[in-house]
Amino acid sequence: SQQGEEDPQALSIQEGENATMNCSYKTSINNLQWYRQNSGRGLVHLILIRSNEREKHSGRLRVTLDTSKKSSSLLITASRAADTASYFCAAYGNNRLAFGKGNQVVVIP
Amino acid sequence: NAGVTQTPKFQVLKTGQSMTLQCAQDMNHEYMSWYRQDPGMGLRLIHYSVGAGITDQGEVPNGYNVSRSTTEDFPLRLLSAAPSQTSVYFCASSAFGPQETQYFGPGTRLLVL
Repeated sequence: SQQGEEDPQALSIQEGENATMNCSYKTSINNLQWYRQNSGRGLVHLILIRSNEREKHSGRLRVTLDTSKKSSSLLITASRAADTASYFCAAYGNNRLAFGKGNQVVVIP
Repeated sequence: NAGVTQTPKFQVLKTGQSMTLQCAQDMNHEYMSWYRQDPGMGLRLIHYSVGAGITDQGEVPNGYNVSRSTTEDFPLRLLSAAPSQTSVYFCASSAFGPQETQYFGPGTRLLVL
């Protein structure tokens, strides 16, 4: 069964705005991974946050993890048209990596 | 490095036909896995391998077989295709396991009529 669940499912924003996506999971995890998928392509790893970390940055990406609430968020700052993609969280725990259903983001130029 | 490659890109099968989806990686990764992606379902793990000669079932293994005779290759076999197997299939690899960054192939889009 899948652990990761993203919310909201679809997001449409103007270029330059920030985009925030949330992910919840059900059981304890060792880490949580975020991936991006451009239309018709494979997934590309964005960032991995360990269970003992609360926040992590990579360029315009900021990921937070709240293990008490079993949730994570991905923030993309100053969005660009090239950020248009689907974003997936994947929760790793009990030797399994479980992907969420994905969150489609459209950045309007 | 080519990374993870998959062939074919597209395939149309008739119900009952068999076929093999190819996956290869040139990063000397021990861990390889197959996922299927269906609309609204995210990615679901079919089979995985922690090294040459070792494979195990994932979440949705029925109707699929795998083998891992070399570190580089991890083919996925559909034994008798069914319309329910219409999906996009992704192969992924990582150095040692699912706890690390996964590197995905470009996918194979399969239509079973």
